[in-house]
Amino acid sequence: TQLLEQSPQFLSIQEGENLTVYCNSSSVFSSLQWYRQEPGEGPVLLVTVVTGGEVKKLKRLTFQFGDARKDSSLHITAAQPGDTGLYLCAGLANTNAGKSTFGDGTTLTVKP
Amino acid sequence: EAGVVQSPRYKIIEKKQPVAFWCNPISGHNTLYWYLQNLGQGPELLIRYENEEAVDDSQLPKDRFSAERLKGVDSTLKIQPAELGDSAVYLCASSPQWTSDEQFFGPGTRLTVL
Repeated sequence: TQLLEQSPQFLSIQEGENLTVYCNSSSVFSSLQWYRQEPGEGPVLLVTVVTGGEVKKLKRLTFQFGDARKDSSLHITAAQPGDTGLYLCAGLANTNAGKSTFGDGTTLTVKP
Repeated sequence: EAGVVQSPRYKIIEKKQPVAFWCNPISGHNTLYWYLQNLGQGPELLIRYENEEAVDDSQLPKDRFSAERLKGVDSTLKIQPAELGDSAVYLCASSPQWTSDEQFFGPGTRLTVL
């Protein structure tokens, strides 16, 4: 069973601050996805990382995949209230084709 | 392009009653997923379909849960009888094929069992 542990579980910050959230596992993933979920809605894909050490940027969001493809981080620069939501990571493993494993997410609140 | 459609959005029932959820995936998407999401947790896979075939239902509690995707398009998830612990959000997602990294989620059905 592939488990993804996300930390912190909750994060509350002021607008303009920077933050980093983490997604860790003891398993190797062929790819890892980050989703954002707002209350009352389903998760929406932000990015997919595939290559160990890969860094992807999406405006103020920076995603990094660990060299060993077991962990990932999401860094947000100058957070805005619109960034508030549940950030989920999901891993797709070669050994469990077609089945993504989701972490329990980080609930981010950005206060104006 | 329309997204994944789910209905109803909310459902409140008493325990031991049956309930059904409906999902219409994005047109052309062969793979359909049903997930359960408890408050404060990530989605947990219940069942995955490739066209009309259920290829992974290992996490589906088959004593009370059933699902179908008869024509390989829309799908129904049923619980009979519902228990208090079934209260959760039931998410449907689809992807073009099972090898796709991205899943497109519907808004979910929030079930409350009293």
